[in-house]
Amino acid sequence: DTEVTQTPKHLVMGMTNKKSLKCEQHMGHRAMYWYKQKAKKPPELMFVYSYEKLSINESVPSRFSPECPNSSLLNLHLHALQPEDSALYLCASSQVDGNQPQHFGDGTRLSIL
Amino acid sequence: SQQGEEDPQALSIQEGENATMNCSYKTSINNLQWYRQNSGRGLVHLILIRSNEREKHSGRLRVTLDTSKKSSSLLITASRAADTASYFCATDGSGGYQKVTFGIGTKLQVIP
Repeated sequence: DTEVTQTPKHLVMGMTNKKSLKCEQHMGHRAMYWYKQKAKKPPELMFVYSYEKLSINESVPSRFSPECPNSSLLNLHLHALQPEDSALYLCASSQVDGNQPQHFGDGTRLSIL
Repeated sequence: SQQGEEDPQALSIQEGENATMNCSYKTSINNLQWYRQNSGRGLVHLILIRSNEREKHSGRLRVTLDTSKKSSSLLITASRAADTASYFCATDGSGGYQKVTFGIGTKLQVIP
């Protein structure tokens, strides 16, 4: 069992749908991350929140909209996605201080029809 | 790009043998981490080595770091079937501690 919980585990959506991915942690971490991972590839950083504020946006298209409503929750709102956005979306959390490991959830496998 | 490259990309060994994976990166780092990912699961942190450290051990894991060559190695001793997974190195850099870039990974298969 992981300490970072992601829901749903699987999501199939059409290109016109709006959906949200959710991530929750109760380790007291104040940094939270979204990654995208395509098959047989490494995770790619999308967004980082520190103290509930967006600190890094890796030039992600606006059809992905992150939100950090409190220190335990992280959402990723999806709208008008493209088939190439199909991937495993991973959430992670860590202490904000330097040199800290990241704790990952098991991800949401997203398929865009 | 800061992205590291693991070598080999795939490795198949017998249970009980040692497995060595290498990682090279391109720019200066504060620390380097190794993660494991089982199929269909999230990543699990294995070990972190700071840029001023040369070697670190954790159980059956041994990590070395050579900042002059911009390379690191992960040694798993006495491998087990349960070690079958993909292994990624991850580096930070000028973007700060939180801006972590993962290498392409090594897929390790341990045959019972």
